[in-house]
Amino acid sequence: DIQMTQSPPVLSASVGDRVTLSCKASQNINKNLDWYQQKHGEAPKLLIYYTNNLQTGIPSRFSGSGSGTDYTLTISSLQPEDVATYYCYQYNSGYTFGAGTKLELK
Amino acid sequence: EVQLVESGGGLVQPGRSLKLSCVASGFTFSNYGMNWIRQAPGKGLEWVAYISSGSSYIYYAETVKGRFTISRDNAKNTLYLQMTSLRSEDTALYYCARGAVARVMDAWGQGASVTVSS
Repeated sequence: DIQMTQSPPVLSASVGDRVTLSCKASQNINKNLDWYQQKHGEAPKLLIYYTNNLQTGIPSRFSGSGSGTDYTLTISSLQPEDVATYYCYQYNSGYTFGAGTKLELK
Repeated sequence: EVQLVESGGGLVQPGRSLKLSCVASGFTFSNYGMNWIRQAPGKGLEWVAYISSGSSYIYYAETVKGRFTISRDNAKNTLYLQMTSLRSEDTALYYCARGAVARVMDAWGQGASVTVSS
């Protein structure tokens, strides 16, 4: 089974900061990776699909990149409404979510 | 507006069964693959099962294989999850989500809560 490791588990940042969340796969997942945002008490929401494709309606401050085993979600300028837990999800072999990164405001 | 509404959750004893439903609206249900994803209290997300638009392809997580059955009725715009031999570790909020081949899940319901306890 492919394991997905997200880091850091918790990230504190200030409004306006550039924020980078990492996701590392235990083997090559060929860019078969999505990113989901889950705000407290809400259902998850698709942000990025197939590594770097922005879902319709998602602000352009969100972007994704990566290849092989290493993937990144970047928020170019953090906004208060971005406080949430972010999950990466691979579907190259089986279907596995990472444990999430909780993003907080400093 | 795309909408997914789960129902059928509740408190059930270990070893018993429960069936969840997810009613879809706002899109052509029969054109889309559908998934169940769960989230244990205070924990992360776990993909559970997938069914293709015409029910030809069905996949399960190893943790539920042989105990859970995913199905759909396209005439009723409804997705189902039949859960049997329930265990305490199946306690979770169960979401249905639209997404072909268990990827790019672009619409989610609000979840149905399942508690397995004696």
